[in-house]
Amino acid sequence: GAVVSQHPSWVICKSGTSVKIECRSLDFQATTMFWYRQFPKQSLMLMATSNEGSKATYEQGVEKDKFLINHASLTLSTLTVTSAHPEDSSFYICSARDRGTEDYGYTFGSGTRLTVV
Amino acid sequence: QKEVEQNSGPLSVPEGAIASLNCTYSDRGSQSFFWYRQYSGKSPELIMFIYSNGDKEDGRFTAQLNKASQYVSLLIRDSQPSDSATYLCAVSEENTGFQKLVFGTGTRLLVSP
Repeated sequence: GAVVSQHPSWVICKSGTSVKIECRSLDFQATTMFWYRQFPKQSLMLMATSNEGSKATYEQGVEKDKFLINHASLTLSTLTVTSAHPEDSSFYICSARDRGTEDYGYTFGSGTRLTVV
Repeated sequence: QKEVEQNSGPLSVPEGAIASLNCTYSDRGSQSFFWYRQYSGKSPELIMFIYSNGDKEDGRFTAQLNKASQYVSLLIRDSQPSDSATYLCAVSEENTGFQKLVFGTGTRLLVSP
């Protein structure tokens, strides 16, 4: 089945610094990847849709200059949280779909728990 | 605003019983429906997807879709303590072209030994 690898699994950073999270599709090409954020005891909220070779599409209320998304290849999308603050502490998860088959749903990466201190 | 509604629970069932999880959605044009299981601190994992009206079975799991009533359900037979998790219903917004998912808030399931 489709596998999505996400790295790092957890990161602690100081307030004001930037953090990069990588999301890779290991056995399929993903022209589109999705980035979600999940706060404790809440559901997944879509932040942006990452498109290979073009600009990401951000959901309403998500600051595109703060959450930089780069999808430079068919297997890699990155999310950079710039000038992180404690309120950015959350669980960030990417997902993708193997369009090579209709039999798979969206596969999620293992997630990155970001703690900003 | 497209919405996906779930009862937050917790839904408590004894081991061996059938757990029934329900989900309603607002966008009548939705075409694809997914059930994900999420353990605490982990990312969601796909359990079932369904596209057509009716039932779809996979092992102990059965997804049921009724587009006319705009609801989708998940039945878990012979529930096990390891099934205790939050179950997320997700609906695909087909009309966006990117097929992004809209998630419900999830139902927490507790299976007692």
